[in-house]
Amino acid sequence: DIQMTQSPSTLSASVGDRVTITCRASQSISSWLAWYQQKPGKAPKLLIYKASSLESGVPSRFSGSGSGTEFTLTISSLQPDDFATYYCQQYNSYWWTFGQGTKVEIK
Amino acid sequence: EVQLVESGGGLVQPGRSLRLSCTASGFTFGDYAMSWFRQAPGKGLEWVGFIRSKAYGGTTEYAASVKGRFTISRDDSKSIAYLQMNSLKTEDTAVYYCTRDGAERAFDIWGQGTMVTVSS
Repeated sequence: DIQMTQSPSTLSASVGDRVTITCRASQSISSWLAWYQQKPGKAPKLLIYKASSLESGVPSRFSGSGSGTEFTLTISSLQPDDFATYYCQQYNSYWWTFGQGTKVEIK
Repeated sequence: EVQLVESGGGLVQPGRSLRLSCTASGFTFGDYAMSWFRQAPGKGLEWVGFIRSKAYGGTTEYAASVKGRFTISRDDSKSIAYLQMNSLKTEDTAVYYCTRDGAERAFDIWGQGTMVTVSS
């Protein structure tokens, strides 16, 4: 199975900061990479699919990039509602796997 | 409104069975593959399995950790997906989520989750 590695595991940032989270796949997954946001006690919410496509209704401050094995999620200007845990997920091949998560905390 | 609602979770003893349901609304259920994921307390997300739409044979795939113990089925007439869990182990304790497989749009709709606790 394909291993997904996110970094950092925890990120402390302030409102207005530009934030970047990295996700690496153990083998090429083309652009079959999604990003999700999860808040405590809630289901994950799709933010980005196919590496760089913004899900409908998601603010434009979220963006994704990359292909092959290296991907990034960028929040251009962190807002109070963005403090959460973020997961990358590959859906190139079974079984679908996630990164371990990046918790974005208030600095 | 497009929505998925899971039900059927609860406390169960090791070795016993439990069936979860996922009721869909707001979209043509039969057109989509459906997946189940889980999240153990304080842990990350794990794919459990999925079922293709009838147009693609309605076949299933499972993670190695549950293969042979869990079975996914669907009733398109009722817009419900099921996760039958047999021979439950303590390590199956988790919140279970059903999702709509949006194909290239990944897993675009998630239910609220249902907690399954396997304990004696």
